[in-house]
Amino acid sequence: NAGVTQTPKFQVLKTGQSMTLQCAQDMNHNSMYWYRQDPGMGLRLIYYSASEGTTDKGEVPNGYNVSRLNKREFSLRLESAAPSQTSVYFCASSAGLADLETQYFGPGTRLLVL
Amino acid sequence: QKEVEQNSGPLSVPEGAIASLNCTYSDRGSQSFFWYRQYSGKSPELIMSIYSNGDKEDGRFTAQLNKASQYVSLLIRDSQPSDSATYLCAPQGATNKLIFGTGTLLAVQP
Repeated sequence: NAGVTQTPKFQVLKTGQSMTLQCAQDMNHNSMYWYRQDPGMGLRLIYYSASEGTTDKGEVPNGYNVSRLNKREFSLRLESAAPSQTSVYFCASSAGLADLETQYFGPGTRLLVL
Repeated sequence: QKEVEQNSGPLSVPEGAIASLNCTYSDRGSQSFFWYRQYSGKSPELIMSIYSNGDKEDGRFTAQLNKASQYVSLLIRDSQPSDSATYLCAPQGATNKLIFGTGTLLAVQP
């Protein structure tokens, strides 16, 4: 049982390049999330998917797109990377969006945009 | 006013002491509250969750919730150097999404 996995672990991009961050979970969870974490800013929600087939914007969606490929996989795409998107990106999943549903986090992707 | 306020620290306590981590939140609709621990360079992991006013104990950890005061805290008894980490408070907002504080850095001195 791997839990939540993310690829890649590290990435360096040049401004304007595109890339997709991959996330997969093997806990049969319905809901999945993408966060970014910046020093002094805490974890901020970018997009989430309450269930397979649905996606919704979070607090900071600009510059990102997501795809809920199936129940297991939720990808985050940067179409034209900017230095402001340098951050640590975490994917998380939970059984659902009900009260007290715990979110489980992946190991993170460290992204540097030059 | 930030939605979730935590003292950034560092909070330094000697080994064996009680560490008290505090959090205030602004969304009165929040019903569930989570404490996550995050070691440097690692991902957050759940320590405790609490739903009802009062105290909830789990081993060395006690979460305290006061919804009227919009206040939640985490006590760590018999603090160990391995407890040194950043502790994130996360109320579950009215839309059932987590709102994270910026975290309190705890340093337990041997």
